Amino acid sequence: EPEVTQTPSHQVTQMGQEVILRCVPISNHLYFYWYRQILGQKVEFLVSFYNNEISEKSEIFDDQFSVERPDGSNFTLKIRSTKLEDSAMYFCASRTDRAGNTIYFGEGSWLTVV
Amino acid sequence: AQSVTQLGSHVSVSEGALVLLRCNYSSSVPPYLFWYVQYPNQGLQLLLKYTTGATLVKGINGFEAEFKKSETSFHLTKPSAHMSDAAEYFCAVSEHGGSQGNLIFGKGTKLSVKP
Repeated sequence: EPEVTQTPSHQVTQMGQEVILRCVPISNHLYFYWYRQILGQKVEFLVSFYNNEISEKSEIFDDQFSVERPDGSNFTLKIRSTKLEDSAMYFCASRTDRAGNTIYFGEGSWLTVV
Repeated sequence: AQSVTQLGSHVSVSEGALVLLRCNYSSSVPPYLFWYVQYPNQGLQLLLKYTTGATLVKGINGFEAEFKKSETSFHLTKPSAHMSDAAEYFCAVSEHGGSQGNLIFGKGTKLSVKP
């Protein structure tokens, strides 16, 4: 069964450093997402990406964050200058082109900022 | 704006007992509703979803949920709990017909199953 894959599974970084989280969505999917889950809290939407541009972003997704689809397969989330409060599990997700179709999630990337 | 409320952050049942996890939603348009499960140290896996049609939907692992528009609810049930059901369960809503399909999640309910 096709799946969304994410790397790294866990990253520890120092405050102020740049982090890039990588994702390979399911190959025939057209919508891509990043969500995050701070420990003990609910899963929160960050950004959606379609047709090579951001289609929607939440208040969390400020200027420190950016997304990119550098080639036909990868989808990355960059955090420019990490803060302690960026420590969370980051989930990449994707779906086909129709609303209501299942959004498939990756296993997540744990980011710990120290 | 849409929102999801899951009543009970922790639910504990005995093995073989009924599982009932509550979810209420708020939406100005007909919603699409989802239940996801998260096992320890794993990602989110879809259990079931309601889009249109039959209001009782069946999912994986014996779970089912019923969409009740009058009650704005989408409670998750399983007749007989198994130890392997211990996990965190998230209810989510996405905008019907919206091109984005972004999910709004509830805070989650952690299910414990006692032997």
